Amino acid sequence: SAVISQKPSRDICQRGTSLTIQCQVDSQVTMMFWYRQQPGQSLTLIATANQGSEATYESGFVIDKFPISRPNLTFSTLTVSNLSPEDSSIYLCSVVVAGPVENYGYTFGSGTRLTVV
Amino acid sequence: EDQVTQSPEALRLQEGESSSLNCSYTVSGLRGLFWYRQDPGKGPEFLFTLYSAGEEKEKERLKATLTKKESFLHITAPKPEDSATYLCAVQSLDNAGNMLTFGGGTRLMVKP
Repeated sequence: SAVISQKPSRDICQRGTSLTIQCQVDSQVTMMFWYRQQPGQSLTLIATANQGSEATYESGFVIDKFPISRPNLTFSTLTVSNLSPEDSSIYLCSVVVAGPVENYGYTFGSGTRLTVV
Repeated sequence: EDQVTQSPEALRLQEGESSSLNCSYTVSGLRGLFWYRQDPGKGPEFLFTLYSAGEEKEKERLKATLTKKESFLHITAPKPEDSATYLCAVQSLDNAGNMLTFGGGTRLMVKP
């Protein structure tokens, strides 16, 4: 299975600023996914990051607020822009590696805990 | 639209007291159902993937089963270290993007 390094692990940011989260994978992957987990809730998909093309955003999420980069097959960034307290959440990246999914499912990073003050 | 509902939301067990967590799902066609464990402050950790009704998978004290409408995660003789939130997710055949739809999770607390 893939190993994901996600940075930063946590941050406290001021309103109106932005935070960029990095996701590095130890193998090449076609798709990378960005999820949000609001306090006490489950995971919601923000967007799918495809190498060489624009990210695909889910309903309720827009590129201006959550710009995503995917410069190569092992790396992606998610920026949360113009922060407000409602953006306080855990942000997670996830990948699926080609091969038998039954052996490992989708692998997740350790998450970035964002607090907006 | 794919939907996943987990119950109960929270479960308290004594060490050694076996129980089951439920995951009810609605999808147009199931590609896979996934169980994850999530500890506080960490990302979800993969446990199982189930593909078809009647399938079962086991790992230590955990056993996952699947029917056409729901999945159960059975925990046999749990220990305090099994305390975590257990997440269920589905991927549908219609989902060309390979995304997962998650349930709300069951927060399990095992007391010694």
